[in-house]
Amino acid sequence: QKEVEQDPGPLSVPEGAIVSLNCTYSNSAFQYFMWYRQYSRKGPELLMYTYSSGNKEDGRFTAQVDKSSKYISLFIRDSQPSDSATYLCAMSSLNFNKFYFGSGTKLNVKP
Amino acid sequence: EAGVAQSPRYKIIEKRQSVAFWCNPISGHATLYWYQQILGQGPKLLIQFQNNGVVDDSQLPKDRFSAERLKGVDSTLKIQPAKLEDSAVYLCASSASGVSGLYGYTFGSGTRLTVV
Repeated sequence: QKEVEQDPGPLSVPEGAIVSLNCTYSNSAFQYFMWYRQYSRKGPELLMYTYSSGNKEDGRFTAQVDKSSKYISLFIRDSQPSDSATYLCAMSSLNFNKFYFGSGTKLNVKP
Repeated sequence: EAGVAQSPRYKIIEKRQSVAFWCNPISGHATLYWYQQILGQGPKLLIQFQNNGVVDDSQLPKDRFSAERLKGVDSTLKIQPAKLEDSAVYLCASSASGVSGLYGYTFGSGTRLTVV
């Protein structure tokens, strides 16, 4: 079983839609949960991170962590064509010395 | 602030040849990482340096891959001899230490390697 599982998509939505991206994990030691965005032919860039359980909001983006279910989500409101990219979840334990990445979900937002 | 620099951007080689990638991290970042990202997969950590010492190389195929970070700044990753399954994007990242370095955990644009 992989440490982190992520649906690869692709996911295609119309502009303005609400997008939900998800990951599941198996290691209960994970405490930091990150979402990265990766445009084509670029390296991943950090969108936001959450420590332990709960929600975190940043503009149109909301990250949720449910540690009891070992399930994390990223919601994108009012999606824009510029949001079209691959979204990677990543996780780390408290000692923070290693990230475990999901395989990425490719998102296409159609104008 | 300049980002993480990597070169070359693209490389095509034949199997059994050797290849080297170079990375220059963000100034002052003590930690440097090399990741392998196969098409359709997430990045997989190959090796992590703290200054010029190796912290984790558990997933580095040491029979063919080697990496060094002399003087604790630039780093090179070498593959010798290359196999077809080494075709991937090789990403370098650097960070400051601990949680405060999260937003400073920066990836380069990667080197896309194709082995034919």
